[in-house]
Amino acid sequence: GQNIDQPTEMTATEGAIVQINCTYQTSGFNGLFWYQQHAGEAPTFLSYNVLDGLEEKGRFSSFLSRSKGYSYLLLKELQMKDSASYLCAVSSSNDYKLSFGAGTTVTVRA
Amino acid sequence: DARVTQTPRHKVTEMGQEVTMRCQPILGHNTVFWYRQTMMQGLELLAYFRNRAPLDDSGMPKDRFSAEMPDATLATLKIQPSEPRDSAVYFCASGQPGNTIYFGEGSWLTVV
Repeated sequence: GQNIDQPTEMTATEGAIVQINCTYQTSGFNGLFWYQQHAGEAPTFLSYNVLDGLEEKGRFSSFLSRSKGYSYLLLKELQMKDSASYLCAVSSSNDYKLSFGAGTTVTVRA
Repeated sequence: DARVTQTPRHKVTEMGQEVTMRCQPILGHNTVFWYRQTMMQGLELLAYFRNRAPLDDSGMPKDRFSAEMPDATLATLKIQPSEPRDSAVYFCASGQPGNTIYFGEGSWLTVV
């Protein structure tokens, strides 16, 4: 099975930077996803890391260390619309099973 | 824009009734996931399919839930009989192994 841990809540100020950590333990690893989910909506794709290192995409970056079972999502220049839940998900085993952490609720304050 | 389509978007039903939720995956995607989301449990994987074959349905209560893919363009999730504790949002997602997984907008189920 897999165990995926991320903080429950984070609060930051508009314009600031927030880093959301995710640690995982899994049998077999095929990649790590980050999704954003606004209240009452479906999760939307943010990033997908398969290899170690940093992937940058505009204001959002995602990092992966496979040896440490660790990833983070970095949100820069925070905007009010970034207030949402951020979900870490691991694709594992030979069958690319996708399992999610409980999500981190980020609140951006003016 | 290609998208995963789910029906119904919202459903209110009485306890004991049968509920069927449908999902049309994105054309060309051979992997389909069913998730349930509640405030308490987050996103739980209920079942998933590859090339229409079930790979894992261990997250699904077997006595009342069933999931099938009658063809490559349709996945179904059925609850019979429904209970109030089944009230949740049910998401379908599709993709290809090693690529992005896309979610449908969800079916919001309330069992009274």
